[in-house]
Amino acid sequence: LAKTTQPISMDSYEGQEVNITCSHNNIATNDYITWYQQFPSQGPRFIIQGYKTKVTNEVASLFIPADRKSSTLSLPRVSLSDTAVYYCLVGERGATNKLIFGTGTLLAVQP
Amino acid sequence: GAVVSQHPSRVICKSGTSVKIECRSLDFQATTMFWYRQFPKQSLMLMATSNEGSKATYEQGVEKDKFLINHASLTLSTLTVTSAHPEDSSFYICSARERGGPAGELFFGEGSRLTVL
Repeated sequence: LAKTTQPISMDSYEGQEVNITCSHNNIATNDYITWYQQFPSQGPRFIIQGYKTKVTNEVASLFIPADRKSSTLSLPRVSLSDTAVYYCLVGERGATNKLIFGTGTLLAVQP
Repeated sequence: GAVVSQHPSRVICKSGTSVKIECRSLDFQATTMFWYRQFPKQSLMLMATSNEGSKATYEQGVEKDKFLINHASLTLSTLTVTSAHPEDSSFYICSARERGGPAGELFFGEGSRLTVL
């Protein structure tokens, strides 16, 4: 299973765009990249998933370079409620495929 | 979206007792569910993979006789912490993917906080 490396923490202010980068040098051909958000005392919540290039949904964008050895989660115009831990995971998408969590990035958004 | 529900959300028990945590997929079937444990200010640690109708697969270092997992139906998996001790106090989280689902999204329950006195 590919191992991921993320910054331990990041600080931002309301209204700014936040980019969190994740390294996954050993990503396998069948692996997808998925980002989750976790608030204290809650289960993680799916944000976005991608395989290559760029993926965008209503809450975030995911940028994946051609070599797929890293990815960047982009959160546009963050608010205080975006303060959370963000996890980058890589793995196969099959129903039985487990996902291993790395350390995650604690994003602190200030007014 | 798909919902995974856990019960109870919080439980306090005395040392030496056993505690059962339920994980249900409310609107989809899950042949496989995953159990994680999370200590304060730490990441989620995968404990085991729960397989419907067969034995669970435990991660290295997780005692299978202490953390009993039963996946009796396609919508229910249970984790029983046997003879609980204070060091078992933690946040337990289950997750599942929809069987045959296209997206591969892993849905997580709300978590169950266990406090062993």
